[in-house]
Amino acid sequence: DAGVIQSPRHEVTEMGQEVTLRCKPISGHDYLFWYRQTMMRGLELLIYFNNNVPIDDSGMPEDRFSAKMPNASFSTLKIQPSEPRDSAVYFCASSPGSSGHNEQFFGPGTRLTVL
Amino acid sequence: GQQLNQSPQSMFIQEGEDVSMNCTSSSIFNTWLWYKQDPGEGPVLLIALYKAGELTSNGRLTAQFGITRKDSFLNISASIPSDVGIYFCAGLKYYKLIFGTGTLLAVQP
Repeated sequence: DAGVIQSPRHEVTEMGQEVTLRCKPISGHDYLFWYRQTMMRGLELLIYFNNNVPIDDSGMPEDRFSAKMPNASFSTLKIQPSEPRDSAVYFCASSPGSSGHNEQFFGPGTRLTVL
Repeated sequence: GQQLNQSPQSMFIQEGEDVSMNCTSSSIFNTWLWYKQDPGEGPVLLIALYKAGELTSNGRLTAQFGITRKDSFLNISASIPSDVGIYFCAGLKYYKLIFGTGTLLAVQP
């Protein structure tokens, strides 16, 4: 079975440019999560969706960040405009959401570098 | 953001040794998860624990969900070189994962 798929794996951009990260969750999973990992702050939850609806976006750093999930098999995380402090590894994860078993399965991540 | 207290921060051991790491929190969790992350990859789920006091094994790995629901430990027996990586605990509450600070494991052949 295919796991969570993310693209691109690496992104290098210049400050001020728009960046779009993409995620395909595991088929049949009802929950999708976006995380950011840095040395200083570890793994942080940015936002999560249930059945394509954003449930909690309290971890989104600021208005420059936005996330969408137009259908059950696709989500995007957009940063506009990007800044050097946004450099990090961004992970997407999905979860089946069945009662009592909400393990999250992670994608390989997108390493973002903003110059 | 909130992180769980995980110890030790790093371990350097010889192949064949047993390893133990733990995670503590001031909050109660309904589920504890243990992940391993290799360089350049995403965290991979190793073990999931659902009930206080539960002891679960997965091959050479054994993990326990603390009775107070505020802690968990992970043991690795007879370590091998491919066990190298960063191990994270994570507490799950209402679909949100709170991660530990990580334990870096290095295994010398």
